[in-house]
Amino acid sequence: RKEVEQDPGPFNVPEGATVAFNCTYSNSASQSFFWYRQDCRKEPKLLMSVYSSGNEDGRFTAQLNRASQYISLLIRDSKLSDSATYLCVVNQAGTALIFGKGTTLSVSS
Amino acid sequence: ETGVTQSPTHLIKTRGQQVTLRCSSQSGHNTVSWYQQALGQGPQFIFQYYREEENGRGNFPPRFSGLQFPNYSSELNVNALELDDSALYLCASSLNSYEQYFGPGTRLTVT
Repeated sequence: RKEVEQDPGPFNVPEGATVAFNCTYSNSASQSFFWYRQDCRKEPKLLMSVYSSGNEDGRFTAQLNRASQYISLLIRDSKLSDSATYLCVVNQAGTALIFGKGTTLSVSS
Repeated sequence: ETGVTQSPTHLIKTRGQQVTLRCSSQSGHNTVSWYQQALGQGPQFIFQYYREEENGRGNFPPRFSGLQFPNYSSELNVNALELDDSALYLCASSLNSYEQYFGPGTRLTVT
């Protein structure tokens, strides 16, 4: 079983749509959780940390369910500029980030 | 921008050669982590340096080695290059390893 699993997509949505990405992780000792965004041939950029209580940053909402070992990212009112690969990331021992393979989002006009 | 810089941007090497990649961390950060990203995959952890000491290592052979300097910049060295070492090499800077911020990467091609 992979340590972090994501649906690879691609997700193709029109502008204005709401889209949700899901992720599961295998190590229950995982300590911190993140979503990163990666544009083609660029570095990953931290989108948001994910807290147990859930957190929101503008159009983006992240949720964490430790009991189910499940993380989600919701994007509301999608923009063309949201097109990218979204990486679910877990930090287990305070050192290594463990990445999923990423979910590709394409937003069209 | 993150303030993390890497050099060189691109590099082409021949199998068997050695390569050194460099990373300057964001001001105020004391931890540098290195990752390898193959095409179509998520980044894979190579190792991390905290205050000039190796602080964790992923599943990479000993021919991958590193250093961190007193100013917290870092080097990644790879000996005896193999074709499979072709990838994007990313360094990430952080304060005590929490939120990690990536540099633009070095794209290494081994022929």
